[in-house]
Amino acid sequence: QEQLIQSGAEVKKPGASVKVSCMASGYVFSTYDINWVRQAPGKGLEWMGWMNPNSGKTDYAEKFQGRITMTRNTYTGTAYLELSSLRSEDTAVYFCARGQGLAARPELWGQGTLVTVSS
Amino acid sequence: TVVTQEPSFSVAPGGTVTLTCGLDSGSVSPTHYPTWYQQTPGQPPRTVIYNTDTRSSGVPDRFSGSILGKKAALTITGAQADDECDYYCVLYMGTGMVFGGGTRLTIL
Repeated sequence: QEQLIQSGAEVKKPGASVKVSCMASGYVFSTYDINWVRQAPGKGLEWMGWMNPNSGKTDYAEKFQGRITMTRNTYTGTAYLELSSLRSEDTAVYFCARGQGLAARPELWGQGTLVTVSS
Repeated sequence: TVVTQEPSFSVAPGGTVTLTCGLDSGSVSPTHYPTWYQQTPGQPPRTVIYNTDTRSSGVPDRFSGSILGKKAALTITGAQADDECDYYCVLYMGTGMVFGGGTRLTIL
């Protein structure tokens, strides 16, 4: 069964960093791009960026440039999202999603990881 | 780039509704690979339509996608109670993608 399994909820203080993991299961990890999408409480979906797990190449949404890093471990089939200089507005559920098709549309989604930023 | 959607829409059971997905500047075309998602509270999104008009596996044929004028459109023909949820479109922009703000659909 193909699935993406994300790490558990995090609570961070403003100014800190958070690293969320996303482990692929049931398919060849390097075959599909990984998107990261977040959703603040009661708000819409926001695309953050994507990564090619084979090459490690990334593209980030302009809004997050400078404080976002996407990495991977091809041996364990795990993708990582790190977001630094956290502020309260970063409180959200963070989803990883496997990209499908020419446009790498998010198709297979992880369960989501709640990151709470609070002093 | 801003992708626009109606914030909310309502339709009677059995009725037809068309949700749209536009760009603040320019027209939506098939090269944006418009994709539509449903989302219920506490769940990840589920694909309804991709590549403008292709229904995802298991999606009922009352859902259809198209380009109408300058926008992508999702039409539900014969709306049912369990269609009530949030709908998001996303457009491919070359080096990334942008989600619309979402439409909350109410079945009255």
